Amino acid sequence: NAGVTQTPKFQVLKTGQSMTLQCAQDMNHEYMSWYRQDPGMGLRLIHYSVGAGITDQGEVPNGYNVSRSTTEDFPLRLLSAAPSQTSVYFCASSPGTGPVMDQPQHFGDGTRLSIL
Amino acid sequence: GQQVMQIPQYQHVQEGEDFTTYCNSSTTLSNIQWYKQRPGGHPVFLIQLVKSGEVKKQKRLTFQFGEAKKNSSLHITATQTTDVGTYFCAGRSGAGSYQLTFGKGTKLSVIP
Repeated sequence: NAGVTQTPKFQVLKTGQSMTLQCAQDMNHEYMSWYRQDPGMGLRLIHYSVGAGITDQGEVPNGYNVSRSTTEDFPLRLLSAAPSQTSVYFCASSPGTGPVMDQPQHFGDGTRLSIL
Repeated sequence: GQQVMQIPQYQHVQEGEDFTTYCNSSTTLSNIQWYKQRPGGHPVFLIQLVKSGEVKKQKRLTFQFGEAKKNSSLHITATQTTDVGTYFCAGRSGAGSYQLTFGKGTKLSVIP
């Protein structure tokens, strides 16, 4: 049981390039989310999904796209990378939504992204 | 929008001293969760508090949820070097919200 798997672990991009951060979970969790972590800023929610085919914006969605075609996968796309998007990105999942939303979040190991 | 403030930002303690971090929300929370992140690692769930005035203990860690459900605290008794890391609180403002808002965290250093 791998839990939440994020790839790649490290990435360096040039300004203007695009890329996709991958996130997969094998726990059949309905809820998945993406956070970015910057020094002194805590974890800020980028996008989240309450199930396959359903996504919504979080606190800092600009410059990022997501899709949820399957329960297992929740990729995060950077459309045109900017230096301000240099950060550590965490994907998280939890078992349910609605009344069972209040479940622990399971985090992946993170992707450390640098944009030059 | 909902804001969750956490203090202090940093805390340095001698091994064996106690440590407390405080979390305050601008809105009433339906629940609050606490996470620990070791250096270079990812956040790991510690506990969830749901009821007004709730107190839960995990060995040397004591978690409290305020009566108004707008504040919470984590207290560690007799810190050890294994307690090093950043502690985050996170809360949801209501049953209809799917967004979990994290505090900025308290980074704990323990001096042996």
